[in-house]
Amino acid sequence: AQSVSQHNHHVILSEAASLELGCNYSYGGTVNLFWYVQYPGQHLQLLLKYFSGDPLVKGIKGFEAEFIKSKFSFNLRKPSVQWSDTAEYFCAVNSWGKFQFGAGTQVVVTP
Amino acid sequence: GAGVSQSPSNKVTEKGKDVELRCDPISGHTALYWYRQRLGQGLEFLIYFQGNSAPDKSGLPSDRFSAERTGESVSTLTIQRTQQEDSAVYLCASSLQVLGGQGTNYGYTFGSGTRLTVV
Repeated sequence: AQSVSQHNHHVILSEAASLELGCNYSYGGTVNLFWYVQYPGQHLQLLLKYFSGDPLVKGIKGFEAEFIKSKFSFNLRKPSVQWSDTAEYFCAVNSWGKFQFGAGTQVVVTP
Repeated sequence: GAGVSQSPSNKVTEKGKDVELRCDPISGHTALYWYRQRLGQGLEFLIYFQGNSAPDKSGLPSDRFSAERTGESVSTLTIQRTQQEDSAVYLCASSLQVLGGQGTNYGYTFGSGTRLTVV
């Protein structure tokens, strides 16, 4: 079955630490890849997306993600997190118009 | 059911017709969101329901779009006089939201979407 896996359900780190969230998918063929963020009490917002071209994608708020086709991965990174990055992060795959979301990773950044 | 259920999964309609999309959230989830994704774009927030509070309709793109939710159960998104630019995947999500402070979403779960094509 096609699936999207996020490696961590909960991540706690200190301000200025680096963040990397793993995402693997099991789709074959062409996929569009996304990372979304949901801040507490708010709706989902797009962080970045990959459709084609440069596999290193830069998004908003200093986030970036790298698409590694051979590993079916699309990991999210941020070199130095801030307290305001506390949120839930979702990886998503769109294949043939159908969306599949990962279960989400709750990130807590402590001051 | 175990997940968020959306129907229909696919809908093709003629320009100018009205369509109704349905979302069955996870039982007990107080928060319900509608999003859409048009081809080549990311998710676009449409509307948000939280319990008995007035819905946040700030994302609805025009007055042709409306949504209702009965209590904490089913929601319907209605698009009147559909246009070709309405063609998109419409996604519903639900969560158990804890009110107070900044609020926290638990168990945020998406449905598989309705693919709407306006011809």
